Amino acid sequence: QSALTQPASVSGSPGQSITISCTGTSSDVGGYNYVSWYQQHPGKAPKLMIYDVSNRPSGVSNRFSGSKSGNTASLTISGLQAEDEADYYCSSYTSSVRVVFGGGTKLTVL
Amino acid sequence: EVQLVESGGGLVQPGRSLRLSCAASGFTFDDYAMHWVRQAPGKGLEWVSGISWNSGSIGYADSVKGRFTISRDNAKNSLYLQMNSLRAEDTALYYCAKAYLWGDLEYWGQGTLVTVSS
Repeated sequence: QSALTQPASVSGSPGQSITISCTGTSSDVGGYNYVSWYQQHPGKAPKLMIYDVSNRPSGVSNRFSGSKSGNTASLTISGLQAEDEADYYCSSYTSSVRVVFGGGTKLTVL
Repeated sequence: EVQLVESGGGLVQPGRSLRLSCAASGFTFDDYAMHWVRQAPGKGLEWVSGISWNSGSIGYADSVKGRFTISRDNAKNSLYLQMNSLRAEDTALYYCAKAYLWGDLEYWGQGTLVTVSS
C-alpha cells in the first residue's frame, strides 16, 4: 500500500492555470474511477474538491476540474486566485476496501 | 449542518492504548461509511481505517492493521478507533470523516491530537 505520487510543489500566477498530477498503479488509480482531491489550508481540516475522478461537490468552484488517464489522475485549477494557495492531496480507492493518499502538493500563487 | 467532533486524544506512553471517539450530527449517521485519517505534525494525510454503514466492510492501512480497531454505534451516532500497542510514529492529528460513498470524504472534523511519547 504505497502512497500515490504527487509533485511536492507547483506554482502559478493569478489568472493562470495549473495542473497537479497523481500517479498510482493499476491497483488503485488505474483500476477504479474513485479518485478524490482535497484542499487543505494551514491549520484547517481538508476539504473535498473533486470525487469520482471528475465530479465537483456542491459549492466547489467550477475552476477546479479533475481527469484521469491510465494510472495518473490530474487536478486542474484555472483562473488561479490567491485563495487557492494551499496543500492539495489526491486519494484513491484500492483493494480490500482501503484508501490511499498522495504525498501532497503545495500550491503557491505567485 | 453536518458536525463531526473527535475526542479522546492525549499523551500516551509507547505500548499503551487509547480510544478515540467521533460524535456525528446533522445527517443520518447509519446511511454512510465513516473513516479515520491522520496527519503527523508537518506531514501529509494518511488514511487509517474505514467502516461501512452497517459495519459489514472494514479496511485498515497496513501500518495499523492488527493494532487498531474501528467500530461504530449507529444508535449513538458515534464512530470509534481503539488504538493498541501505540508507537511514536502513531503521533498525529486524527480526523474523523464522513464518506459520500466510500473513499470520497465530504465532511471532516477538526481532529484530536494523539502524542505517543515516554
